[in-house]
Amino acid sequence: ETGVTQSPTHLIKTRGQQVTLRCSSQSGHNTVSWYQQALGQGPQFIFQYYREEENGRGNFPPRFSGLQFPNYSSELNVNALELDDSALYLCASSRGLAGVQDTQYFGPGTRLTVL
Amino acid sequence: AQSVTQLDSQVPVFEEAPVELRCNYSSSVSVYLFWYVQYPNQGLQLLLKYLSGSTLVKGINGFEAEFNKSQTSFHLRKPSVHISDTAEYFCAVSVRTGANNLFFGTGTRLTVIP
Repeated sequence: ETGVTQSPTHLIKTRGQQVTLRCSSQSGHNTVSWYQQALGQGPQFIFQYYREEENGRGNFPPRFSGLQFPNYSSELNVNALELDDSALYLCASSRGLAGVQDTQYFGPGTRLTVL
Repeated sequence: AQSVTQLDSQVPVFEEAPVELRCNYSSSVSVYLFWYVQYPNQGLQLLLKYLSGSTLVKGINGFEAEFNKSQTSFHLRKPSVHISDTAEYFCAVSVRTGANNLFFGTGTRLTVIP
């Protein structure tokens, strides 16, 4: 049971620009989480959405924002890009808010490079 | 706060040999425990998880892990590795209340040598 897709695969931006990353969850998955994975590090939790509302947030500044849509797609927006934002961005979806009883299914990620 | 420590950043092992990848965690509340695998240019795939019950958990691809509460450890083992097991392995925890976000360790790169 996978099928989480992300676009684009790779992206190059310059410092100060804005970027939107997209994720398409599996049908029926009401929860989507976004993670940032810097090179050589484990993924770090950015935020989670449940039925289009933010349900939790990690230690990331407000220039990281998100949206979730009724059609099981979601977006991660990052404003005023900094060099340290260069990373692999992963989205993960799960069925609902049953906590960890629901397995999180990860997409392949979007590799963002900020120059 | 929660934290996960993976003690080995790289583990080389010969094909068909056993392997153990170590994971220790710290948390002031009860947690669930996970192991994920990441193949090159792919997302994370769940290997196994511990929620409750038996402390020995069996997962996919012949992997198993044992939860040790007193030592706050959740080491991953496989009795005989294959070339295809070469990948990055991540240990993660999640608290039992609130958002089910995962806290990951820094990963262990398993390289299986022919």
